Amino acid sequence: NAGVTQTPKFRILKIGQSMTLQCTQDMNHNYMYWYRQDPGMGLKLIYYSVGAGITDKGEVPNGYNVSRSTTEDFPLRLELAAPSQTSVYFCASRDRGHAFFGQGTRLTVV
Amino acid sequence: AQTVTQSQPEMSVQEAETVTLSCTYDTSESDYYLFWYKQPPSRQMILVIRQEAYKQQNATENRFSVNFQKAAKSFSLKISDSQLGDAAMYFCAYISVDSGYALNFGKGTSLLVTP
Repeated sequence: NAGVTQTPKFRILKIGQSMTLQCTQDMNHNYMYWYRQDPGMGLKLIYYSVGAGITDKGEVPNGYNVSRSTTEDFPLRLELAAPSQTSVYFCASRDRGHAFFGQGTRLTVV
Repeated sequence: AQTVTQSQPEMSVQEAETVTLSCTYDTSESDYYLFWYKQPPSRQMILVIRQEAYKQQNATENRFSVNFQKAAKSFSLKISDSQLGDAAMYFCAYISVDSGYALNFGKGTSLLVTP
């Protein structure tokens, strides 16, 4: 049982480049989330999805896009990367009372 | 919007001693979940304990227990018999109905355990 799998674990981007962070879960959870964690801060919600085909913005959505074509996958797209997007990104899925997290992606934009 | 406040950026405890981490939250809802997550240097988010608001009994998981005061909107974590492996960032979190039941996190408390 893999749980929530995120790829890549590390990435360096140049300003203006684009990339997709992949997230897959094998627990058949409807609810999935993307968070970012900046130094000394808690996790902030970027986007969330309550099921395939349904997504919505969280607290800090600017500069990001998501899609949810299947229950398993919830990729996060960064367009025109900026230094402010340097952060650690977490994908999570949730059952009734507990959230399961991926291992995180450390992204640096230079 | 719900807010979660952890007023202690850093705490220190000696091995085998007890430490309490504080958390307060703001909500107008009557039914919700509260959590404590541990984040070691590996950055993995590990569930420590959870509390359902409709349950009056405080949750306990081995050496970890909470003091849930619903009227005061307080949710503190007590770690007994602290171990070196308990050193980590600890995040208090609340499930928000407003954002697809996403977890809403506090800023965290860094716990140092000294021998």
